[in-house]
Amino acid sequence: KAGVTQTPRYLIKTRGQQVTLSCSPISGHRSVSWYQQTPGQGLQFLFEYFSETQRNKGNFPGRFSGRQFSNSRSEMNVSTLELGDSALYLCASSLDLIISGNTIYFGEGSWLTVV
Amino acid sequence: KNEVEQSPQNLTAQEGEFITINCSYSVGISALHWLQQHPGGGIVSLFMLSSGKKKHGRLIATINIQEKHSSLHITASHPRDSAVYICAVWRGSQGNLIFGKGTKLSVKP
Repeated sequence: KAGVTQTPRYLIKTRGQQVTLSCSPISGHRSVSWYQQTPGQGLQFLFEYFSETQRNKGNFPGRFSGRQFSNSRSEMNVSTLELGDSALYLCASSLDLIISGNTIYFGEGSWLTVV
Repeated sequence: KNEVEQSPQNLTAQEGEFITINCSYSVGISALHWLQQHPGGGIVSLFMLSSGKKKHGRLIATINIQEKHSSLHITASHPRDSAVYICAVWRGSQGNLIFGKGTKLSVKP
C-alpha cells in the first residue's frame, strides 16, 4: 500500500513568488491535513480538508490556501512568498477527520526555501 | 506561555532504561496525539488519546484530563527509539491541532 506522497520534495523560490505543493493521500483516505515545520516555531497546523471542503484551519494568513479534489488529492498554495515561509511542509492523511481518532499518516514533506 | 509544554526538551538514556516524556497543556482539548519524528523529517503517529491509557509494544501513553497532563513511557529503551517525540492537542472548539516543541531523545548503546 503506497504511503502519503508529496511533490516536489525540494524547491527554491524567490520572495514575492507563489508556490503550489501537492499531496496524494493513501488510497481510501478522505482527510488530508497540512502542516508547517520551522526550527523556530516547530510544527504548526495549517488546515484540514475532507470531502473537498476545508473543515479546520490554523492561524495562518490568507496567503496560505489549499484545496482538495474529488480523488482526495490535495494542493497547498502560498502566495507572495516571504523569507519566513522557508520551512518543511508536511501533508498527512487519515480515513476520516483527525478528531475521529483514526491514525494519521504523514508524508516525507516538501522542503521550501525562499530566497 | 505556550499552550502545550513538553519536558524535558532533551533526554539522553542508556539502552534498557525506562523513559518518561511529559506533556502539559493549558487549553480545553478533545484529544491528544503523540508523534515520533526521526532525523530527516519522517513523522509517525504513535497514539491518540482522549482518556485513560493506551499501550503499543514497549510504548505506553497516559492522559489525565483533569490535570491537563499526558505522559509517554518507553520501556526497555533501544537506540532505535532515538527520535524527537512531539505532543499535539486537538482543540475541538477551534478545530486546530496545537503542537509542543518536542522532546529529543537519544538512547546510547
